[in-house]
Amino acid sequence: DQQVKQNSPSLSVQEGRISILNCDYTNSMFDYFLWYKKYPAEGPTFLISISSIKDKNEDGRFTVFLNKSAKHLSLHIVPSQPGDSAVYFCAALGSGGSNYKLTFGKGTLLTVNP
Amino acid sequence: DTGVSQNPRHKITKRGQNVTFRCDPISEHNRLYWYRQTLGQGPEFLTYFQNEAQLEKSRLLSDRFSAERPKGSFSTLEIQRTEQGDSAMYLCASSFANREVSDGYTFGSGTRLTVV
Repeated sequence: DQQVKQNSPSLSVQEGRISILNCDYTNSMFDYFLWYKKYPAEGPTFLISISSIKDKNEDGRFTVFLNKSAKHLSLHIVPSQPGDSAVYFCAALGSGGSNYKLTFGKGTLLTVNP
Repeated sequence: DTGVSQNPRHKITKRGQNVTFRCDPISEHNRLYWYRQTLGQGPEFLTYFQNEAQLEKSRLLSDRFSAERPKGSFSTLEIQRTEQGDSAMYLCASSFANREVSDGYTFGSGTRLTVV
């Protein structure tokens, strides 16, 4: 049972435009959500996180929005740059005794065209 | 500190052979994790250590898999009697306890295992 879902396997945007990556989850017990970026032949790199009690967190060009009632979050990248081309994973962190274990979605391949 | 280091980067082995991977975490991190990633999937949790204690093992980790973290430093993941279904990228990550949200995990580049 996929608890974290990224329904778009790929996304293509033009340089300078906004990239919006979406993620849905089913487990309301998740406390935190994190986004990771992964280049080929490298491990995932942490980008940004958000607590389940917040609805927005911003860090430079990256903003994550959380809609808890819809169990939906999104990562906005503005403006998109060719170097942002990578696979983006949405991940959720459990609560209480599982507050160390990440549950990942399948990822979305973002391609930013020059 | 150069981050999380994993060796080897690639391993090709024949079915039925044993393999061992090594992970050197960031030195001040007290938590260490192993994840497995197969094609088209996100990383899946395998096991977790806090210092030298292995505190959780996923049901994905069959009896053929064993992980150790002697002295709370580096870790090894051994797979005995490898099967073709074990072919995957094995990722190691480390973190400082209770800073996973602010700092995230730090992942290594992984060991890609191919069982032929």
